[in-house]
Amino acid sequence: AQSVAQPEDQVNVAEGNPLTVKCTYSVSGNPYLFWYVQYPNRGLQFLLKYITGDNLVKGSYGFEAEFNKSQTSFHLKKPSALVSDSALYFCAVRDGRTYKYIFGTGTRLKVLA
Amino acid sequence: DSGVTQTPKHLITATGQRVTLRCSPRSGDLSVYWYQQSLDQGLQFLIQYYNGEERAKGNILERFSAQQFPDLHSELNLSSLELGDSALYFCASSEPPADEQFFGPGTRLTVL
Repeated sequence: AQSVAQPEDQVNVAEGNPLTVKCTYSVSGNPYLFWYVQYPNRGLQFLLKYITGDNLVKGSYGFEAEFNKSQTSFHLKKPSALVSDSALYFCAVRDGRTYKYIFGTGTRLKVLA
Repeated sequence: DSGVTQTPKHLITATGQRVTLRCSPRSGDLSVYWYQQSLDQGLQFLIQYYNGEERAKGNILERFSAQQFPDLHSELNLSSLELGDSALYFCASSEPPADEQFFGPGTRLTVL
């Protein structure tokens, strides 16, 4: 069955420290993988995507993500967290066969000053 | 501002009623997506249209329907509303093959 898992409801990190938000997926065909961020009372904003090519993808606001095919993971990372990064982060995947989009349940990132 | 507009911003209605949510995609985007976001269900993909044709269907109830018009705007129709339909409804648009979606600000539906 198609699914996206974000195993952590919340991640707390100190400002300046590296952060990782985890995502694993299960879909058919070659997946398109995305990360989005949602600030309070706002729609989602695109951060980055992986379709093909280099496994390390760089995106907006200094974020990057690493695609790992064998582990079916697409973890979001940032070398140095900012307080302004505090938000809700969603991993999403487009099924390669059905074109359906599946979103994870979201991980709330809290960066502490 | 993503360039995607949604109307209305807020909608309050009663059970059993029917409502229509409207979405205008970014200029040039041919794909429109509809999502439902609720506290207990997270973000649920409902349906996608590409240039007027249905392209993918997610967890959309039979009471819900959508369409995309020749000018590419889209409408999501929700009928026989139930209390559980109260949620934030997002529209997004994209231009293949990039497929990153640009989300509108959402319509908050409250069913009383």
